[in-house]
Amino acid sequence: AQSVAQPEDQVNVAEGNPLTVKCTYSVSGNPYLFWYVQYPNRGLQFLLKYITGDNLVKGSYGFEAEFNKSQTSFHLKKPSALVSDSALYFCAVRDGGNNRLAFGKGNQVVVIP
Amino acid sequence: DGGITQSPKYLFRKEGQNVTLSCEQNLNHDAMYWYRQDPGQGLRLIYYSQIVNDFQKGDIAEGYSVSREKKESFPLTVTSAQKNPTAFYLCASSIVGDRSYEQYFGPGTRLTVT
Repeated sequence: AQSVAQPEDQVNVAEGNPLTVKCTYSVSGNPYLFWYVQYPNRGLQFLLKYITGDNLVKGSYGFEAEFNKSQTSFHLKKPSALVSDSALYFCAVRDGGNNRLAFGKGNQVVVIP
Repeated sequence: DGGITQSPKYLFRKEGQNVTLSCEQNLNHDAMYWYRQDPGQGLRLIYYSQIVNDFQKGDIAEGYSVSREKKESFPLTVTSAQKNPTAFYLCASSIVGDRSYEQYFGPGTRLTVT
C-alpha cells in the first residue's frame, strides 16, 4: 500500500517567516500527492496536488509544494506565514488503482504573532 | 466545504444505540467516502463507494455500515458493535474517471457516545 509520513507533530513559526511542512512518501509507481488544510472543527480543504509535470506546484492561499523524487518528499511551503495559517495540515497520496487516498497523521502549524 | 453537507454537526448517543450520520453532495461526483478522525491519528477510511449500489470496506469498517441508493447520498450507520465510536466523522466525494483524484470534504459530524 502507498503511504505518506509527516515526521513532525507541530511546527511553530513566527509571522512573516517562511513556513515549511514536511512530507515523505512511499509508493510503487508514479506518486499522486496532495496537501489539505483543516481548521478547528471543520472539514479538510484542498490546497494543491502533484500528478505530473513541474516539480514546483502552486496552490491556494499562497502555498506551494516541491516534489523531489530522489528524496521521495513533497514538502509544503509558504514564503511568509500569516497567523491565519495556523491549522492542521495533511499530506496524502493516491492509494492503488482507485480513488482512495492515504493520509498522513497531520502537522499542527502554529504561527506566532 | 464545497457542495457536501453533513448533518448534524454534533451528535450525542447512549452506548448500545445505533446512529446514522447523513452525507449529501450536489457536485455530481460518482465516488463518496467516509473517514474517521481521532487526535494524532490522521484520517482513517471506513467505507467508500465508486458507484450507486456498490461500496467497499476501507481500513476500519468493523462496527459500521453504509448504503448508496442514490448518487448524491451516502449515509453511515455507527452500530453498537463499534467499540469506540466517539470521534469526528468526515464525508468526502470525488470524480471518477479523470486524473483529478482530489477529494472534497464536508464539514464533519462530531459523535459523542456515553
